[in-house]
Amino acid sequence: AQSVTQLDSQVPVFEEAPVELRCNYSSSVSVYLFWYVQYPNQGLQLLLKYLSGSTLVKGINGFEAEFNKSQTSFHLRKPSVHISDTAEYFCAVGGGSNYKLTFGKGTLLTVNP
Amino acid sequence: DGGITQSPKYLFRKEGQNVTLSCEQNLNHDAMYWYRQDPGQGLRLIYYSQIVNDFQKGDIAEGYSVSREKKESFPLTVTSAQKNPTAFYLCASSILQGSETQYFGPGTRLLVL
Repeated sequence: AQSVTQLDSQVPVFEEAPVELRCNYSSSVSVYLFWYVQYPNQGLQLLLKYLSGSTLVKGINGFEAEFNKSQTSFHLRKPSVHISDTAEYFCAVGGGSNYKLTFGKGTLLTVNP
Repeated sequence: DGGITQSPKYLFRKEGQNVTLSCEQNLNHDAMYWYRQDPGQGLRLIYYSQIVNDFQKGDIAEGYSVSREKKESFPLTVTSAQKNPTAFYLCASSILQGSETQYFGPGTRLLVL
């Protein structure tokens, strides 16, 4: 079985500050890892994904994430956030034989002026 | 444009009524998924289908039914047996090779009158 823990349900930051959204996972098989973003009343949009290879993954909108196998983590970072980054962010893990993803409960990022 | 469409955007259900949410994709994806989203609970899998005329229960299938008569369509029926149907419903699709990346529709918000 796979599980995902997003360690912070809410993260408030000021505009132009750096931000890190934390994600830990557990899995008995090799994993694929994803970060999605959801703006209010919309579907989820893929930010970035780790499949294999380089552990530092770059995504859209200036976000990046680092896969750390020993710590079973996949934290999302951005060096300088904008008001428009205000949204909910979901971490997800896949890699089982049934092509399902397991999602975390989400982190609400609020960027204040 | 390729993508996933969900309709309607808002849906109202009366007591004892069955309602059907539509999901269509033109990405030629094999697999389709239905999720329920409640505040603070992330995404929970209701049903998924990997091939036409076949589907499997997810984690919270009780009170829901689906069909997969065509590759591009995966409608979800919320039956009267679902006692707490108010939620945001998301449909997704993916190929069945490699990374299992899921792509999401814009969602349907179901409200009870």
